[in-house]
Amino acid sequence: DTAVSQTPKYLVTQMGNDKSIKCEQNLGHDTMYWYKQDSKKFLKIMFSYNNKELIINETVPNRFSPKSPDKAHLNLHINSLELGDSAVYFCASSQKRVNTEAFFGQGTRLTVV
Amino acid sequence: AQSVTQLDSQVPVFEEAPVELRCNYSSSVSVYLFWYVQYPNQGLQLLLKYLSGSTLVKGINGFEAEFNKSQTSFHLRKPSVHISDTAEYFCAVSDPYNQGGKLIFGQGTELSVKP
Repeated sequence: DTAVSQTPKYLVTQMGNDKSIKCEQNLGHDTMYWYKQDSKKFLKIMFSYNNKELIINETVPNRFSPKSPDKAHLNLHINSLELGDSAVYFCASSQKRVNTEAFFGQGTRLTVV
Repeated sequence: AQSVTQLDSQVPVFEEAPVELRCNYSSSVSVYLFWYVQYPNQGLQLLLKYLSGSTLVKGINGFEAEFNKSQTSFHLRKPSVHISDTAEYFCAVSDPYNQGGKLIFGQGTELSVKP
């Protein structure tokens, strides 16, 4: 059973489209995150949610809108996709807001053409 | 603000040789420290972590790291590497008092183990 699962694994889409990435964790954790890994493999946090409440929004464009319907799910919707949005997006979770160990999903490779 | 610097972007090494991947951090508060490994086209897997206590921490796959507060370092070591250790390695910090739980990552070190 995968602890943190993301769908889809690969996503190829045209500029201007809207797309969503889904994430689910079965660890019973309270806190979930979205990270972006760019083409140079640099990882940066985008959002953090705790029990469905937004805790961190790290100066991400408004085109990115996370949604947490319950504490086991954190989805990422992206409007009006741009070439620069091409990256690998990782979902992660930790037991509490004090992060003593984060578990990562397998990533979603988004390619905007 | 916190930051992490991984001093080597690429480390080539022969199989069965020892390796050290260097990590320095900057923070005005106490930190939690982590090393993650990323195999090609996969997610990140935790190798080891320092939260408190003994400064020498042991992790999975024979890796260990030492927390040095005075030098603000958390270098990762393995006495004898295998081909299967070829991967990207990330050092990261989090602030125990920042309730957001975010990890701040270094730039990554590509470990390449050659036969």
